[in-house]
Amino acid sequence: DTAVSQTPKYLVTQMGNDKSIKCEQNLGHDTMYWYKQDSKKFLKIMFSYNNKELIINETVPNRFSPKSPDKAHLNLHINSLELGDSAVYFCASSQDLRTRGDFYNEQFFGPGTRLTVL
Amino acid sequence: EDKVVQSPLSLVVHEGDTVTLNCSYEVTNFRSLLWYKQEKKAPTFLFMLTSSGIEKKSGRLSSILDKKELFSILNITATQTGDSAVYLCAVFKGAQKLVFGQGTRLTINP
Repeated sequence: DTAVSQTPKYLVTQMGNDKSIKCEQNLGHDTMYWYKQDSKKFLKIMFSYNNKELIINETVPNRFSPKSPDKAHLNLHINSLELGDSAVYFCASSQDLRTRGDFYNEQFFGPGTRLTVL
Repeated sequence: EDKVVQSPLSLVVHEGDTVTLNCSYEVTNFRSLLWYKQEKKAPTFLFMLTSSGIEKKSGRLSSILDKKELFSILNITATQTGDSAVYLCAVFKGAQKLVFGQGTRLTINP
């Protein structure tokens, strides 16, 4: 039983293409995230959605557009891919923070999608 | 700008050794500090530390936070090859925002 799943696991594409990465969680969580892990292993938050509503939007080029069709899914669409987009993208989910106050709710990470832009 | 710095970046030891991993931070709106273990894929949660001086322990792993000096350490005693991984430190700033360090790659040789 995979809690947080992502597809595809590997994605190799040419510069300028448009691609999507899908994420699904079966934990009943209300909040989902996208992180980018670069070659130096820094994990950086990109977006966060709570019940399909965008709540965190870091400084990310607007070529990146998250889409949440329902609270169990958060997809990431990337337009006009660039070399610098090559990284591992992690999806994560957690319980709705706001029902428990400003305390950390454990984030469960997916297996990652390794994107290589040639 | 928020900063989480881990050291060393890489560490190679023999099975049975004890290791100490360091994490220092400069982050606004600090709420808590977390340690994750990342093997080949997804990071998995190890500890959350909110108060200074209180050690958290799980088997051979333990961690402590110093909020005055703004750092945390993760200790692993009697290391095993299965402990080989990247260990990530992250600071929780509230509103579900985590700021991660760059990780320490730990390799345990038999």
